[in-house]
Amino acid sequence: ETGVTQSPTHLIKTRGQQVTLRCSSQSGHNTVSWYQQALGQGPQFIFQYYREEENGRGNFPPRFSGLQFPNYSSELNVNALELDDSALYLCASSLVFGSGGMDTQYFGPGTRLTVL
Amino acid sequence: AQKVTQAQTEISVVEKEDVTLDCVYETRDTTYYLFWYKQPPSGELVFLIRRNSFDEQNEISGRYSWNFQKSTSSFNFTITASQVVDSAVYFCALHYGGATNKLIFGTGTLLAVQP
Repeated sequence: ETGVTQSPTHLIKTRGQQVTLRCSSQSGHNTVSWYQQALGQGPQFIFQYYREEENGRGNFPPRFSGLQFPNYSSELNVNALELDDSALYLCASSLVFGSGGMDTQYFGPGTRLTVL
Repeated sequence: AQKVTQAQTEISVVEKEDVTLDCVYETRDTTYYLFWYKQPPSGELVFLIRRNSFDEQNEISGRYSWNFQKSTSSFNFTITASQVVDSAVYFCALHYGGATNKLIFGTGTLLAVQP
């Protein structure tokens, strides 16, 4: 069974640039969630994708957007990067039946984004 | 409002000591789930346990045990005979009966086990 993978591992960008982070879900899973974890904090929910559509969003501005592909992999895009976007971005996958379902989320190793 | 509080920011113990990590949660929902995750320095969150609100039975898995008490809205985690490999940040998280499968995390407890 393949776990959740994320790429790249580390990324350095400058303010105003755009970035795309990628996530491959664990085999058999159909839902992907993205979290932002600032240094010394717990992860904060950004959004979730189920059946290739956004299925819930946290308190993040529209410049945070995402996609889910037919193979259940996902991308997180952040436009107009700000210094405060520097964080560890975690992807989690789960198997959910229906948009209101719940299942354990399994996390990838994360992408460390630094904005200068 | 949904909230998870981990009041202990850092705990330092010597190997073989027992240690308890506290977690207090707030939710108005009657159906919810509680989780513990471990985050080693590598950064990946490792799932440890899931508990639903209807199951207050305590659980033991090897050196790990969990105490769920709805009366005090707590879900505490005990490591018996701690080892250096237990050093990590531990997060308690809440999933409530919303339409989205999202987790609300506490701020984490950094556990340092000294040899």
